Amino acid sequence: GQNIDQPTEMTATEGAIVQINCTYQTSGFNGLFWYQQHAGEAPTFLSYNVLDGLEEKGRFSSFLSRSKGYSYLLLKELQMKDSASYLCAVTDSNYQLIWGAGTKLIIKP
Amino acid sequence: GAVVSQHPSWVICKSGTSVKIECRSLDFQATTMFWYRQFPKQSLMLMATSNEGSKATYEQGVEKDKFLINHASLTLSTLTVTSAHPEDSSFYICSARVSGGDYNEQFFGPGTRLTVL
Repeated sequence: GQNIDQPTEMTATEGAIVQINCTYQTSGFNGLFWYQQHAGEAPTFLSYNVLDGLEEKGRFSSFLSRSKGYSYLLLKELQMKDSASYLCAVTDSNYQLIWGAGTKLIIKP
Repeated sequence: GAVVSQHPSWVICKSGTSVKIECRSLDFQATTMFWYRQFPKQSLMLMATSNEGSKATYEQGVEKDKFLINHASLTLSTLTVTSAHPEDSSFYICSARVSGGDYNEQFFGPGTRLTVL
């Protein structure tokens, strides 16, 4: 079966750094997405990785290792507005998006 | 970036009535649109994939006769919840995939919160 695993909840301090991990087992791989979703709102795109390595975009970076079926989202200089759920999603061989359950990130002052 | 709108943003209806939700891609053409449902504190659940001009493909466990999907043009897909019941109360989100896009990214609408009394 297809499976995406990520922690249910994480807590971090304002100004700090946090890493959210995602492991996946899918039938084929055509890219991995990270989305941010605030409560009551739709997801918004953060990053896309299809090749191994680190993609940096401002305070957010995303890493992918296809051989390990592993990705992480790194958030630096955390701000209170970063409190949200972070969803990992993988595109399989049929270009279907397989979603993780999301990681709720709580930022404390 | 690509913009997707949904209408209405929220709707309250009586049990047994039907509700139509519209999803529009505003500045791009979307050959494929997706309909998701999200219950509180749960992840997105794909309901169906909608391709312009053809019948929607429903995920296992989703009743096609209850959730009617029409994708009549490259910029509009509609989801009609027929004979709605309280258990259909949920957050419904559509997304659209850019035709010929670089990496098949899905752009999400703002969602429609449905409450069935």
